[in-house]
Amino acid sequence: QSALTQPASVSGSPGQSITISCTGTSSDVGAYNFVSWYQHHPGKAPKLIIYEVSNRPSGVSNRFSGSKSGNTASLTISGLQAVDEADYHCYSYTSTTAYVFGTGTKVTVL
Amino acid sequence: QVQLQESGPGLVKPSGTLSLTCAVSGGSISGRDWWTWVRQPPGKGLEWIGEIYHGGTTNYNSSLKSRVTMSVDKSKNHFSLHLSSLIAADTAVYHCAAANDYRIDYWGQGTLVTVSS
Repeated sequence: QSALTQPASVSGSPGQSITISCTGTSSDVGAYNFVSWYQHHPGKAPKLIIYEVSNRPSGVSNRFSGSKSGNTASLTISGLQAVDEADYHCYSYTSTTAYVFGTGTKVTVL
Repeated sequence: QVQLQESGPGLVKPSGTLSLTCAVSGGSISGRDWWTWVRQPPGKGLEWIGEIYHGGTTNYNSSLKSRVTMSVDKSKNHFSLHLSSLIAADTAVYHCAAANDYRIDYWGQGTLVTVSS
């Protein structure tokens, strides 16, 4: 089972919107709506920000939104803030090895 | 709010076995479905290692399946990971986590394990 494909890095200026893609296959992202996203500040515990493609846990800012089309899921961060600078990882249930993560994306706020 | 804390040796020898424990606080280990281990090699992305149900059922990453064993100790409210036949590529930050409904809700901060002689 190969990792889901994410861009290595995405950057934006404060206030802008950015979108991170997460491309899988018809055995994972394309087959199930069990895609979640995690924000990870290095040295800290990762944090769930989106589950089941587009749902936000209680307490997560509505600046984070998720969607899916075919084999690709996407995370959009709107109104980019300095605190959003972190690594972001997608995660999907898969019919092969149960679960698989994305390759990870480093978000830089310019 | 469930809290998780990993513990174990930070340095292990090649060909040896890594043993990590995750202490669960703020809730019973029987109160959630799946207890999960994830690792992140330096400079790389997260890798799902596997999960164990509080009743003992396990699912492992097929690429690690031959070397991984997980267990749950309800009396101590903790769960464990054992990874054998270690190589340098097993060097990583290892996180324990709590999962329900196909998502990971809570994570430990992670512990760095280095495989080196």
